[in-house]
Amino acid sequence: KQEVTQIPAALSVPEGENLVLNCSFTDSAIYNLQWFRQDPGKGLTSLLLIQSSQREQTSGRLNASLDKSSGRSTLYIAASQPGDSATYLCAVSQGADKLIFGTGTRLQVFP
Amino acid sequence: DGGITQSPKYLFRKEGQNVTLSCEQNLNHDAMYWYRQDPGQGLRLIYYSQIVNDFQKGDIAEGYSVSREKKESFPLTVTSAQKNPTAFYLCASSPPGGRGRNEQFFGPGTRLTVL
Repeated sequence: KQEVTQIPAALSVPEGENLVLNCSFTDSAIYNLQWFRQDPGKGLTSLLLIQSSQREQTSGRLNASLDKSSGRSTLYIAASQPGDSATYLCAVSQGADKLIFGTGTRLQVFP
Repeated sequence: DGGITQSPKYLFRKEGQNVTLSCEQNLNHDAMYWYRQDPGQGLRLIYYSQIVNDFQKGDIAEGYSVSREKKESFPLTVTSAQKNPTAFYLCASSPPGGRGRNEQFFGPGTRLTVL
């Protein structure tokens, strides 16, 4: 059974720092991995999608990498800002039809 | 504007009542999903539908029912058989083709509270 773990569970950093959020999964037979952002009481916003054949994806200050063989992905946030404060979720697609989610990393960036 | 809408935003239910949560999308997506989110836990899949008039149970389908009569709509009914329905419910959809390889897009969610 696929299990997805995110470390750390919470992170508090000063503005301007570069951050790394970690996601690990137990079964490497995945179709893709998605990173999401969730603000309190809101839905999920898709940040990056990495297909199983890819190693990384970039969008603005965000860079996500995927090492399928070791069951790991990292989300790198450059030059963090208070507006980046949110919960970040990773999820893997295994089989045709569902995402399996981690429990998230709650990020706070203070001025 | 294209997107996924969910209504209502907040819903209160008395024990023993059935309630229906609405999910509508105008993205022309074939696949639609319902997830449940509880504090401290990841999202869990309740039901999903790949095409109209067809749907499958997810990991926690007991106490829930769905229908998919239109491509745009995938309502979720929380029945009185659901033992602990208080949670945040999220609907998602995914573009056609490439099963399992496509990005999922989420609605704003419905918070259900049982009184």
